[in-house]
Amino acid sequence: GEDVEQSLFLSVREGDSSVINCTYTDSSSTYLYWYKQEPGAGLQLLTYIFSNMDMKQDQRLTVLLNKKDKHLSLRIADTQTGDSAIYFCASKEAGTALIFGKGTTLSVSS
Amino acid sequence: DVKVTQSSRYLVKRTGEKVFLECVQDMDHENMFWYRQDPGLGLRLIYFSYDVKMKEKGDIPEGYSVSREKKERFSLILESASTNQTSMYLCASSNQRDLETQYFGPGTRLLVL
Repeated sequence: GEDVEQSLFLSVREGDSSVINCTYTDSSSTYLYWYKQEPGAGLQLLTYIFSNMDMKQDQRLTVLLNKKDKHLSLRIADTQTGDSAIYFCASKEAGTALIFGKGTTLSVSS
Repeated sequence: DVKVTQSSRYLVKRTGEKVFLECVQDMDHENMFWYRQDPGLGLRLIYFSYDVKMKEKGDIPEGYSVSREKKERFSLILESASTNQTSMYLCASSNQRDLETQYFGPGTRLLVL
């Protein structure tokens, strides 16, 4: 079946940039998403990108999509301790349910 | 703001008990989902529903059933709870088939003894 892969952990210092990477297998994916889960909470949509885009920027967040390599990344500029969370990449083909990665735990130290 | 609520944040049940997890959304969304989240396994889709009285199996439906009698409510049922169903259960809803921005509830942490 279709799959979404992410590294499990990332540790950065406060003020640095964080880059969370994701690869997916479904070349028909039309939308790709980044969700954030804070401790003890449900998932919250951070941003999404259509498959016909290469980049999307939203304040401190930059999403890059390399469709040829099926690679998606989320860059968080000036990472803060409040950014510590689990980040999930998800892909979707039209008419199907979302496929989530296993999540990347971001740890930000001061 | 979209609100997805789940009936309990924490639940402790015994093996063999019938367990109901309730999810309600207040935005008239057509689509509703049940996931379980386990360390190292991420989110796995149990069941989803695109309309009232309609249900589709996800990746791991075994041991679960669902009910969607009203548009705003999607129930997950564990017919006979087992210890391997100890997990965090997350409900989500969305209103478009294609864009499918899913809104999640806070989760129910279920412990089966």
